[in-house]
Amino acid sequence: RKEVEQDPGPFNVPEGATVAFNCTYSNSASQSFFWYRQDCRKEPKLLMSVYSSGNEDGRFTAQLNRASQYISLLIRDSKLSDSATYLCVVLDTGRRALTFGSGTRLQVQP
Amino acid sequence: DAGVTQSPTHLIKTRGQQVTLRCSPISGHKSVSWYQQVLGQGPQFIFQYYEKEERGRGNFPDRFSARQFPNYSSELNVNALLLGDSALYLCASSLGGVSTDTQYFGPGTRLTVL
Repeated sequence: RKEVEQDPGPFNVPEGATVAFNCTYSNSASQSFFWYRQDCRKEPKLLMSVYSSGNEDGRFTAQLNRASQYISLLIRDSKLSDSATYLCVVLDTGRRALTFGSGTRLQVQP
Repeated sequence: DAGVTQSPTHLIKTRGQQVTLRCSPISGHKSVSWYQQVLGQGPQFIFQYYEKEERGRGNFPDRFSARQFPNYSSELNVNALLLGDSALYLCASSLGGVSTDTQYFGPGTRLTVL
C-alpha cells in the first residue's frame, strides 16, 4: 500500500464549479499535512497546510480526519488558473522528509 | 530575494555515466533536501542535509550520494546511470533543522538518460 494515496483524476470541471479532492495516508503517527500545487513542468509550491480543526484560505478549504487518516481539499468557484496537479503531502518526521501522493490533476474549462 | 536555484536546467546522459546536480538554497536557509520525480508520480525523498550533515535518507541505492558545503549549497551525485534514473530532480530548502520547517522547492533539473 502506498503511504499517501490520491485519485489521479483528471477532474474536468467548468469555471465556477466546486471540486473536492481526497487523500488517505497510511502512517497513523503522522502529524503534519499539506497540499501542494504543481503546474506542468514546474516545481511543487505549497498551497496550504492542513490543520486538525480544518482551515480555509480564500476559495480553498482543507480538512483532516485523523481517525480515518483522510485529508481533503475543496476548491470553490474554480478559475481557469486553478488548472494544475494537486499533491497531498504528509510529513515523515523520522526521516525529515515530505511524502507525496501521486497527485490529482484538475482541468478547469471555460 | 532569490529563491532556490538549481543547475543545470536540463541534462542528457547515457547509461553508465555519472552526473552531478547542484542546488543553492534560499539565503539564510541551512537545510537542503533532494527529491526525485518521475513522470506521473509525486516527488520521492532522496536525502536531507542540515549543517553539512545527512539528517535523512530515502530508499535509494548507494549510487545516489550527496553533500552540503559550508555555504549550505548542495550537490547530488548519481553514479552508473540507469534508464530509470530519468526524472526531474528537485531541491528544497528550509530554514533550519526542525522537520516541520516549510520546504521551498527549486525549479528542478530534468535528467534524461539514454
